Amino acid sequence: GNSVTQMEGPVTLSEEAFLTINCTYTATGYPSLFWYVQYPGEGLQLLLKATKADDKGSNKGFEATYRKETTSFHLEKGSVQVSDSAVYFCALNVRSQGNLIFGKGTKLSVKP
Amino acid sequence: EAGVTQFPSHSVIEKGQTVTLRCDPISGHDNLYWYRRVMGKEIKFLLHFVKESKQDESGMPNNRFLAERTGGTYSTLKVQPAELEDSGVYFCASSPLQGGPYEQYFGPGTRLTVT
Repeated sequence: GNSVTQMEGPVTLSEEAFLTINCTYTATGYPSLFWYVQYPGEGLQLLLKATKADDKGSNKGFEATYRKETTSFHLEKGSVQVSDSAVYFCALNVRSQGNLIFGKGTKLSVKP
Repeated sequence: EAGVTQFPSHSVIEKGQTVTLRCDPISGHDNLYWYRRVMGKEIKFLLHFVKESKQDESGMPNNRFLAERTGGTYSTLKVQPAELEDSGVYFCASSPLQGGPYEQYFGPGTRLTVT
């Protein structure tokens, strides 16, 4: 079946540190891949997406590249800020109008 | 433009009681999805409406859960009778019907606690 596995948290970093959150997937067909973020007290927001192999999604300094050969979509940011503290979810869908399949989420805390 | 709204934000009920959650999607979005996150676990899909029709309800856990979307606008999710394992955060999301893959816009969620 289709599934997403992301690194367990919580992750605690100092401001300006480099961030990587690993995400791998299993899917039939050609999924679209997403990173969603949930800031404290808010709903999920789309952070970035990629719809085909080798696409790079980017937003707010975050990047992730759709790697079909390794079935991965790792999230990276070169220099995190305190305001990046949130829970990050990797997700996929295999039909453009279909439901999302999520990983368990990774809680990131950034200390000043 | 108003986002997806959900009501209530929190609900605490006793086992055996009934609770109804409401979701108002973004105006004009024909796709409406319900998801649930049980503590510490992944967000899981419950069902998908296209307008007023149930497109996919494969994620509904059992017949204690009833979802409706009369008129193709807002949706309700009723849990009757509630059990302890129903506790969690219930998210609603919406997206346009044409084209894709579109971003699904999520509401803030309803935190349900069954005691």
